Amino acid sequence: AQSVTQLGSHVSVSEGALVLLRCNYSSSVPPYLFWYVQYPNQGLQLLLKYTSAATLVKGINGFEAEFKKSETSFHLTKPSAHMSDAAEYFCAVSETGGFKTIFGAGTRLFVKA
Amino acid sequence: EAQVTQNPRYLITVTGKKLTVTCSQNMNHEYMSWYRQDPGLGLRQIYYSMNVEVTDKGDVPEGYKVSRKEKRNFPLILESPSPNQTSLYFCASSSPTGGAETQYFGPGTRLLVL
Repeated sequence: AQSVTQLGSHVSVSEGALVLLRCNYSSSVPPYLFWYVQYPNQGLQLLLKYTSAATLVKGINGFEAEFKKSETSFHLTKPSAHMSDAAEYFCAVSETGGFKTIFGAGTRLFVKA
Repeated sequence: EAQVTQNPRYLITVTGKKLTVTCSQNMNHEYMSWYRQDPGLGLRQIYYSMNVEVTDKGDVPEGYKVSRKEKRNFPLILESPSPNQTSLYFCASSSPTGGAETQYFGPGTRLLVL
């Protein structure tokens, strides 16, 4: 069975600092992996996705994630945080390509001025 | 504009009073899903549909019904709402062709059951 664990329900960084949001997954087959962002009072927006092509995936707004099969991880990073990055981030896994997706509990990112 | 719409956006109701939350997408997507979002639990899938007249249970289907009579619509029905169904609900759609894995989410429906 597939599952997702996001380490840290809250992460706080200073503006300009590295953002690192952690995600570990379990899956019995090669998975599809996603990061979504949710801004206050809005729906979820796709940041990036891994679909068995390149292991380093670049997304929108300067975010990227690296698929590491040996570590079953898909951590999200951004070199320099901006105030506008403050939001909740969800890691998700799907074994079936979109219609059966498991989400992590989410990590809320705070950016300090 | 490609989008998923949900109505209503906010709803307060009382225990036992049947309600329907509508979801519609204009992208001709085959797949549609309903999720509920609760603090600390992330999004949990309630039901999903792979195409018209094809639906299946997600992880938390108890107390909910769905139907998929048309490709664009996927309403969520609460026959007898209870306070533990107070939550934020999202509808999503995706397609098995070209970027199949990406789900497009609606703006959410915030439900309070008294």
